[in-house]
Parts: sequence; C-alpha cells; structure tokens
Amino acid sequence: EPEVTQTPSHQVTQMGQEVILRCVPISNHLYFYWYRQILGQKVEFLVSFYNNEISEKSEIFDDQFSVERPDGSNFTLKIRSTKLEDSAMYFCASSELGVGTGELFFGEGSRLTVL
Amino acid sequence: AQTVTQSQPEMSVQEAETVTLSCTYDTSESNYYLFWYKQPPSRQMILVIRQEAYKQQNATENRFSVNFQKAAKSFSLKISDSQLGDTAMYFCAWRRGAQKLVFGQGTRLTINP
Repeated sequence: EPEVTQTPSHQVTQMGQEVILRCVPISNHLYFYWYRQILGQKVEFLVSFYNNEISEKSEIFDDQFSVERPDGSNFTLKIRSTKLEDSAMYFCASSELGVGTGELFFGEGSRLTVL
Repeated sequence: AQTVTQSQPEMSVQEAETVTLSCTYDTSESNYYLFWYKQPPSRQMILVIRQEAYKQQNATENRFSVNFQKAAKSFSLKISDSQLGDTAMYFCAWRRGAQKLVFGQGTRLTINP
C-alpha cells in the first residue's frame, strides 16, 4: 500500500543550526502539507503546497521556514535557524484532492530536538 | 477562526466494551467535513471515519460510528467491541473545502485486557 515516508525519524540539532526534513508523498498526490505537534499539544498546521507553490500557511510558518519540491518526488521543510521552541514532531501529509473529503495521508513523523 | 475541542485528555476501558470520545467544534460555516484520525504508538495518523456536514445520516465504518449533531456542533466517535489494537491517540478534525485540517487536542485511549 502506498505511503508517505519521512526522513529522518529523529534529528538532534543545536540552536541556530539549519535543519531540512524530507518527505516523499504518495506518487499520484498533488497536495502536500506540513504539520507539527509539540509534545503533549495539538497537531498544528504549518503549510500547504500545490502546483509548486504555497497555497496556505499559518502564522507559525514565518521567514525561518521554507518548503520546496526540488525534484518532483521529495517535499522538504527547511528551518533556517532553529530555536528551542521548534522542538516538535513534524508530520508530512499528502492528498490526491485538495478539497472536502480528500483524505490526508500522514507520514510517521520526524522528531526534531533543538538543544 | 475555527476551533476543535476534545474535552477528554485520556480515557480507559476494558476490552470488548463500548467507548465514546467527545468532540465539539466552532464554525460559522454551513458546509464542512469532520474527521476522526487515529495515531497509534507507531506515530502515523490514520483516518478512521469522516462525515460530510450536509449529510444527516451518521457515518459508520465497521465498529466505528459517529454521532453528528450539527446544531450542537458536536461530533462524537463511538467504538464498539473495543480491541487492544484500538489503543491510540484519537484526533477530531474539521475541514472546509480546500482549507487546512484543524485538529483538536486529542484523546489518549487505552484499551485494557
């Protein structure tokens, strides 16, 4: 069964360092998302991406964050200069449809720890 | 802004019992979609069940069913004949059209043998 894969599963970094989280969405999907979940808190939307551009982003997704689909298969989230509060589980999701009941398929997440 | 609230941080039941997880939401929209996602300890979120707000009939998927009360903005999940594999975090989520999924805080459900 097709699935969304994410790497790395866990990354530890020093504050101020750049981090890239990678995702391979399901191959025929057109809509891509990043969510994050700080330990013990709710899952928060970061950004959605369609047709090679950001379609929506939250207030969390500031200038330190960027997304890219560099080669038609990978979908990456870059954090330019990590802060302690960026420590969280980051989930990538993809969807065939961008509307209504279009199911989002989630990856297993990348745990980011910023020291 | 749309909000989704799950008032039960944790629940625990015995295997084979029925359990109901609560969810309320706040929106001024009339057409939207509601979802329950399950996040087992392996971390990947999986869709359990979905409901279109324009449908009056409650959605069911095998042992999982919902009680959708549109006027009350309530969307509870009932799990019948609970199994050990149902142990997970459960998230209620709301979506309208092409907008993002908005999640509740989650309910940690434990099924005891």
